Amino acid sequence: GDSVTQMEGPVTLSEEAFLTINCTYTATGYPSLFWYVQYPGEGLQLLLKATKADDKGSNKGFEATYRKETTSFHLEKGSVQVSDSAVYFCALRDRGGADGLTFGKGTHLIIQP
Amino acid sequence: KAGVTQTPRYLIKTRGQQVTLSCSPISGHRSVSWYQQTPGQGLQFLFEYFSETQRNKGNFPGRFSGRQFSNSRSEMNVSTLELGDSALYLCASSLVEQGPYNEQFFGPGTRLTVL
Repeated sequence: GDSVTQMEGPVTLSEEAFLTINCTYTATGYPSLFWYVQYPGEGLQLLLKATKADDKGSNKGFEATYRKETTSFHLEKGSVQVSDSAVYFCALRDRGGADGLTFGKGTHLIIQP
Repeated sequence: KAGVTQTPRYLIKTRGQQVTLSCSPISGHRSVSWYQQTPGQGLQFLFEYFSETQRNKGNFPGRFSGRQFSNSRSEMNVSTLELGDSALYLCASSLVEQGPYNEQFFGPGTRLTVL
């Protein structure tokens, strides 16, 4: 079945550092890919998405590119802020669509001032 | 526009009991999905409802069930609770039936603790 693998962390960075959170996936079909963010005590918010190969999703300074050849969707941000501290989930939705979103385990990001 | 609301936010039950959780989607959204979040298994898809019909179902036992009403509000029920059912249950709504392009909006979740 489908699966998503991402580093679990915690990942601790200093403010203004460069961020990369790796995400790789396995899917039987040709999925759409998503990054969600979860702040403490809240539900998930969609951060960005990409629906086909070489698409780049971007939002709030975060970017991720759909790489079909390496089955990856790594999340990057050039300069992180303390307010970016949260748990980040990589997810996919197969085109067949029978199983909802498939999520990775989540990466806990801590940004220190 | 109000977001997805879930009630109650916190719930404590004992083994063997049953529980009903409620989800009100964003106004105009017709699809509601439920997910279970645990530290061990992460986020797992439970089921999706669209126009009062269950469209998709994840790999969970029959103790987990749900329904959707004509106003798109949804409830999920867990019978004969087990300790392992302790989790954060998240509801998500979208305009139309789940698809690769449709954004899902998540509620804050209901934290269920089974003692």
